[in-house]
Amino acid sequence: GESVGLHLPTLSVQEGDNSIINCAYSNSASDYFIWYKQESGKGPQFIIDIRSNMDKRQGQRVTVLLNKTVKHLSLQIAATQPGDSAVYFCAEKSDGGATNKLIFGTGTLLAVQP
Amino acid sequence: ETGVTQTPRHLVMGMTNKKSLKCEQHLGHNAMYWYKQSAKKPLELMFVYNFKEQTENNSVPSRFSPECPNSSHLFLHLHTLQPEDSALYLCASSQATGYNSPLHFGNGTRLTVT
Repeated sequence: GESVGLHLPTLSVQEGDNSIINCAYSNSASDYFIWYKQESGKGPQFIIDIRSNMDKRQGQRVTVLLNKTVKHLSLQIAATQPGDSAVYFCAEKSDGGATNKLIFGTGTLLAVQP
Repeated sequence: ETGVTQTPRHLVMGMTNKKSLKCEQHLGHNAMYWYKQSAKKPLELMFVYNFKEQTENNSVPSRFSPECPNSSHLFLHLHTLQPEDSALYLCASSQATGYNSPLHFGNGTRLTVT
């Protein structure tokens, strides 16, 4: 069945280091992927998205990589800061845009050590 | 500020109570969503509205009743809930369904059913 999962439930990094959060998906028909950040007491916040016709997209300090061959998605955060501490979710969509129905992973907790 | 405002932030209700959750979006979006977030589980889609019309009911029990009077407002009416309904209820909006567009979430209502 469809599933979106994360390899590591918790990732601890030193401030200033780069972080890489991974996500595996099982539906090869998925054509749109999003990363969200959720801080304690807040709702998920959109970080970056990527369509299946791309394999890389960059934002401010973040890069998303998509490897359709192995159905793997990653989020790279450069120069990680304490404010980056949060739970990160990947989400996929595979309905061709019909309902904008996203399937979410369970999340990875990123802990930034000073 | 996310552009999606949810009230109340916290709600405690007994199993025989009737209460409503409110969501308002200021982003000019045409689609609105209710999600349920329980501990250690992925976000669960409950309902989708597109241009005020309900387009998705993800097998949600009838004790949850949504209402969408216009594209900017969404309600979730609650009655005779069960303790297992305790969770964070998140409202989201997007440009519309039928597009690969990200969802923008509010900060949620933390519901506790006693």
